Amino acid sequence: KNEVEQSPQNLTAQEGEFITINCSYSVGISALHWLQQHPGGGIVSLFMLSSGKKKHGRLIATINIQEKHSSLHITASHPRDSAVYICAGYSGGGADGLTFGKGTHLIIQP
Amino acid sequence: EAGVAQSPRYKIIEKRQSVAFWCNPISGHATLYWYQQILGQGPKLLIQFQNNGVVDDSQLPKDRFSAERLKGVDSTLKIQPAKLEDSAVYLCASSSVGTGGSPLHFGNGTRLTVT
Repeated sequence: KNEVEQSPQNLTAQEGEFITINCSYSVGISALHWLQQHPGGGIVSLFMLSSGKKKHGRLIATINIQEKHSSLHITASHPRDSAVYICAGYSGGGADGLTFGKGTHLIIQP
Repeated sequence: EAGVAQSPRYKIIEKRQSVAFWCNPISGHATLYWYQQILGQGPKLLIQFQNNGVVDDSQLPKDRFSAERLKGVDSTLKIQPAKLEDSAVYLCASSSVGTGGSPLHFGNGTRLTVT
């Protein structure tokens, strides 16, 4: 059974802090998606990665295939970054619905 | 490019009533997904279409839920009859080549309340 575990579940930080959200996944998952969901809003895809590192603005995502671990970093955090961040693993095969983590609820205080 | 469109945005119905949701994916996206997200939980895949064919509907409660994508473009998801536990946000998503090779694009969702 494919599994995706995120930590921490909840994170509160001050504006400007460097944020790290972690995701561990089981054997069989070959690509990882990082998603952002604002309260009452839809879900936005931030990154999809299967190796290495990707950067978009203040967001950086890394993945270590050997350790089956991925991290999402936010530099110079801002209150508008407050949201739920979800990692989801793709395991291939004929059906490619994702296995979702439970999400990390991030609050950035001014 | 236009995003994934969903309607309605909100729906309140009584248990045992019927409801239908509509989704129009991003133009050219072959793969379409319907997810159910109960408050405080991650999304759960209900059904995945590749063009107008069903790839995976293993978690769709087929006694009450149905979905179609007749022309391989827009899709409808129906619940008949609704139960209290169906209260959730129903999310439609699309991708160009599937989630192993391309990002998912989500609609804003339909928030369903069953009373």
